[in-house]
Amino acid sequence: DQQVKQNSPSLSVQEGRISILNCDYTNSMFDYFLWYKKYPAEGPTFLISISSIKDKNEDGRFTVFLNKSAKHLSLHIVPSQPGDSAVYFCAAVNTGTASKLTFGTGTRLQVTL
Amino acid sequence: DTAVSQTPKYLVTQMGNDKSIKCEQNLGHDTMYWYKQDSKKFLKIMFSYNNKELIINETVPNRFSPKSPDKAHLNLHINSLELGDSAVYFCASSQGRSGGPNTGELFFGEGSRLTVL
Repeated sequence: DQQVKQNSPSLSVQEGRISILNCDYTNSMFDYFLWYKKYPAEGPTFLISISSIKDKNEDGRFTVFLNKSAKHLSLHIVPSQPGDSAVYFCAAVNTGTASKLTFGTGTRLQVTL
Repeated sequence: DTAVSQTPKYLVTQMGNDKSIKCEQNLGHDTMYWYKQDSKKFLKIMFSYNNKELIINETVPNRFSPKSPDKAHLNLHINSLELGDSAVYFCASSQGRSGGPNTGELFFGEGSRLTVL
C-alpha cells in the first residue's frame, strides 16, 4: 500500500525556469510533509517541510504548496539551477503517533543548461 | 566531519552468509533508524531506536537484527542472506522520536549498498 506517491519518475527543466515536483498521499492522518533531496552515492538531505495547518512554506528558491482537500503537495524551485539536479523525495508523517516517515519513490530532476 | 557515518559503503557477499552494517552519529540525537531502499527505489523504514530502546519494528524478517550499544550507534546484522536482501541500506538519526516538527528532521548516512550473489 503506497501511501505517498510521486507519479513522475523524472523531470527535465531548463536552467532559470521553474521546476514543479508533485506528490500525492492517501493517508488523511498525515499532518507534516517534507521534501528530501538526494545526490548519487549520498544519503537524502532535508530540504523543506510544511505542516498541515499551512498551505504554503517558502525558503529561498524553494516553495512547498499543500492542498489538503486534494491530498496533494508540490515543490516549486525558482529559478532552477544545474546544482538542483538530483532525486527529490516527498515524505509524510503523522506526528501524533510513534510515527515514521513514509517516503515516495522519488522524482529525478535534471536541470539543463 | 561526517554527522551520520555507515560502514561498509559497499558489501558483496554470497547467499547464506551473515553480515553486519555499522552506523554511528555524532549529532547527539536520541533516535536512530534503518531504512531500506530496494530496486524500485522505495525508501522503507525497518527499525527505529530511541535511547537504545526499540520503538519501531516494521514487518521485517527476523534474520534482520538491529543492535544499539549506545544512543550514538545502531548496527544492523543480517543472517542467512538472500538474493532479495540486495538493496541500499540507509542509517538515519533525528532529535526526538520522529522525523517531524519539534523533533527535527532525519539526517541520513551515505548508504550501504549490499549485493547478494
